[in-house]
Amino acid sequence: NAGVTQTPKFQVLKTGQSMTLQCAQDMNHNSMYWYRQDPGMGLRLIYYSASEGTTDKGEVPNGYNVSRLNKREFSLRLESAAPSQTSVYFCASRRGSYNEQFFGPGTRLTVL
Amino acid sequence: GQQVMQIPQYQHVQEGEDFTTYCNSSTTLSNIQWYKQRPGGHPVFLIQLVKSGEVKKQKRLTFQFGEAKKNSSLHITATQTTDVGTYFCAAGSGNTGKLIFGQGTTLQVKP
Repeated sequence: NAGVTQTPKFQVLKTGQSMTLQCAQDMNHNSMYWYRQDPGMGLRLIYYSASEGTTDKGEVPNGYNVSRLNKREFSLRLESAAPSQTSVYFCASRRGSYNEQFFGPGTRLTVL
Repeated sequence: GQQVMQIPQYQHVQEGEDFTTYCNSSTTLSNIQWYKQRPGGHPVFLIQLVKSGEVKKQKRLTFQFGEAKKNSSLHITATQTTDVGTYFCAAGSGNTGKLIFGQGTTLQVKP
């Protein structure tokens, strides 16, 4: 099992460009999450999907959109990137009713 | 909204010394989880606490959940260089599995 995979690992964008971060899990988990991590601020939830076909906003959703493509895949889209979106983005999935989350390796995004 | 405060932000210790990080909430928590993130890595689940006053141990790590379920702590006995990283507490929120993370405590261990 690969667990949770994310692509790309690194990305540099110019202000105003768009891009999609991809996330997939092979653990048959129902719930998936997108976080951003900034220095000194821990991890903040952007969006989550409690089950296939549903998505909900987290703490910091502005400037982002998500798509739960199927049970395995959950993508995060930046329509018009801003320097404030420079961050490390982590995708995670949840195993059943036990609230442990499994994280992917992260995408390091820089917006110039 | 719900907030979880974690202290200290940084801790430098000599190898063999003990280390403790504290997590506090103004509201009662249904459960709390602890994660470890190695430098350049991703968070990895350590443990979940659910019951008031619960204490769990994993080798040199001791996790506690306060009686009022508003605070938690992680204590490492006799630190080793392999303990280096950032430790996060995270408050669970219902069946959605949403987590509210503390700011994290970064531990550095001098050999």
